[in-house]
Amino acid sequence: AQKITQTQPGMFVQEKEAVTLDCTYDTSDPSYGLFWYKQPSSGEMIFLIYQGSYDQQNATEGRYSLNFQKARKSANLVISASQLGDSAMYFCAMREGSSGGFKTIFGAGTRLFVKA
Amino acid sequence: DADVTQTPRNRITKTGKRIMLECSQTKGHDRMYWYRQDPGLGLQLIYYSFDVKDINKGEISDGYSVSRQAQAKFSLSLESAIPNQTALYFCATSDPRDSKNIQYFGAGTRLSVL
Repeated sequence: AQKITQTQPGMFVQEKEAVTLDCTYDTSDPSYGLFWYKQPSSGEMIFLIYQGSYDQQNATEGRYSLNFQKARKSANLVISASQLGDSAMYFCAMREGSSGGFKTIFGAGTRLFVKA
Repeated sequence: DADVTQTPRNRITKTGKRIMLECSQTKGHDRMYWYRQDPGLGLQLIYYSFDVKDINKGEISDGYSVSRQAQAKFSLSLESAIPNQTALYFCATSDPRDSKNIQYFGAGTRLSVL
């Protein structure tokens, strides 16, 4: 069974609007971490945001926020005020286990297109 | 300069050739990883290393080998390349003192095996 599911292969958003990229995960471990990475067309993987399973508040980093719904096992990325430079692949990932845990599992990604 | 550097950035090789992909880092992290990315798929872990004396297989290690020459260097080898090893390869590092285990990636090596 897939542990990280990103159901949107591609998404379009108008510049300056907000967009939500979906991610659901599956784990029985009470301690885990969730990540979002951005992969622009140049290919590199850029860390965007992190949410710990015990964090009480949703993580935010500038225009990025993570809508963490633990009971639903979802960790959606919200990008506010989209910019043309946000066009990229976005990967959701999960690390299981406590701080000693290191294995990170990646979803298949969502390609975001920002329209001018 | 990039904190995690991969060389070469692009490589075309022929079936049966031996090829080495190199990774070096200036982040001072003990943990290093090699992943491959295929179109439409997420990253899959090939090998990982927690220090110079520690090498571990990941999900898809068959056909690959690695060498951790120093804390800062981690190389991936394809002993006899085959076309289905055509992929984008990433090296990553993380700090064991970081409870989040955020991984920092190189720019990737695009490998084509003809």
